[in-house]
Amino acid sequence: TQLLEQSPQFLSIQEGENLTVYCNSSSVFSSLQWYRQEPGEGPVLLVTVVTGGEVKKLKRLTFQFGDARKDSSLHITAAQPGDTGLYLCAGVSSGSARQLTFGSGTQLTVLP
Amino acid sequence: NAGVTQTPKFQVLKTGQSMTLQCAQDMNHEYMSWYRQDPGMGLRLIHYSVGAGITDQGEVPNGYNVSRSTTEDFPLRLLSAAPSQTSVYFCASSLSGAGYGYTFGSGTRLTVV
Repeated sequence: TQLLEQSPQFLSIQEGENLTVYCNSSSVFSSLQWYRQEPGEGPVLLVTVVTGGEVKKLKRLTFQFGDARKDSSLHITAAQPGDTGLYLCAGVSSGSARQLTFGSGTQLTVLP
Repeated sequence: NAGVTQTPKFQVLKTGQSMTLQCAQDMNHEYMSWYRQDPGMGLRLIHYSVGAGITDQGEVPNGYNVSRSTTEDFPLRLLSAAPSQTSVYFCASSLSGAGYGYTFGSGTRLTVV
């Protein structure tokens, strides 16, 4: 069973601060996805990173996939209250099934 | 374009009852999956399908059955509900190519008493 450890579990910061969320595994994934989930809703895809060492930017969000494809990070610059939510990383298995293994999530609260 | 539609949104069952959670998608996605989400545990895969007529077990399949007779529909059946199955259930679908993300439904909150 592939496991993903996500940290921190909870993060409360002031508006304008920067933050980084980490996602680590001992397993290699074919790709890694980041989702954001609002209360009462399903997760919504933010990004997919496929290549080891890949860096993707989505406005103030920067996603990085580790060189060995075992870990990833999400960095948010100048956080805003609208960034509040549950952030989930998910490793994609290799092979035809392409199933997701989720981390336990990071609950981010950005205070105004 | 409705995306992934799950029904019902809320359900209360008594221990031992059976029920079916419905999931439908209108995006012609080959892959469909069912997850359960419990506090502090992220989402865990119950069953998945890579196409019509093909299903397989995920991490926590016990107590659940699935079938995939059409591309669009992927119902999840609880055979005999137990309090341990109290959870939020999500259905998701995806295209088969590498790099595609999953589209999730809005979930079914199930309570077994």
